[in-house]
Amino acid sequence: DVKVTQSSRYLVKRTGEKVFLECVQDMDHENMFWYRQDPGLGLRLIYFSYDVKMKEKGDIPEGYSVSREKKERFSLILESASTNQTSMYLCASSLNSGVQPQHFGDGTRLSIL
Amino acid sequence: GQQLNQSPQSMFIQEGEDVSMNCTSSSIFNTWLWYKQDPGEGPVLLIALYKAGELTSNGRLTAQFGITRKDSFLNISASIPSDVGIYFCAGQPYKADRGSTLGRLYFGRGTQLTVWP
Repeated sequence: DVKVTQSSRYLVKRTGEKVFLECVQDMDHENMFWYRQDPGLGLRLIYFSYDVKMKEKGDIPEGYSVSREKKERFSLILESASTNQTSMYLCASSLNSGVQPQHFGDGTRLSIL
Repeated sequence: GQQLNQSPQSMFIQEGEDVSMNCTSSSIFNTWLWYKQDPGEGPVLLIALYKAGELTSNGRLTAQFGITRKDSFLNISASIPSDVGIYFCAGQPYKADRGSTLGRLYFGRGTQLTVWP
């Protein structure tokens, strides 16, 4: 089974802090994705990566950056956290072969105070 | 980006009832996926559809890839309390834009299902 692991289930940070969310997958997937999930808005794509050191902006990249130094790890960075970034963050991965389903981690519930 | 319209937004049903939800897009899709998210967890893939007209079952769940390629349906028969959760549709457009060629999926906003015992 594919395993996508997010480093924290719950995280509380303060406004202005630099926040790192980590995601690791164990199935050698090329593609990795970061979403945020808010009530009534569904899943919104922040950034994705199709290869090491490659990244593409999603629909809501403002205020975020990402890093993919190794194939199995994809990090989401909040450069200066703000209260409107309080949300559930979900990481996903998929193979880059045809159309492949994405496999999700359990999410990180981030609160910015 | 692509917009997927998923309905209904929420459903409140009695145990044993059947459930239907659907998803429509403004453009043709070549893949439709259905996910379920339990409270406090990430979405889990239920069914994947790759061909127009395809009808696929997974236990009490049945999903169909619409003939027009612009819609998909999910049915749950004889619902039970553990069916509670959020159901998401997702898909990839047929005429893939640059983002889509990189494995990107587009998601509906979800259907919140509540089942009363």
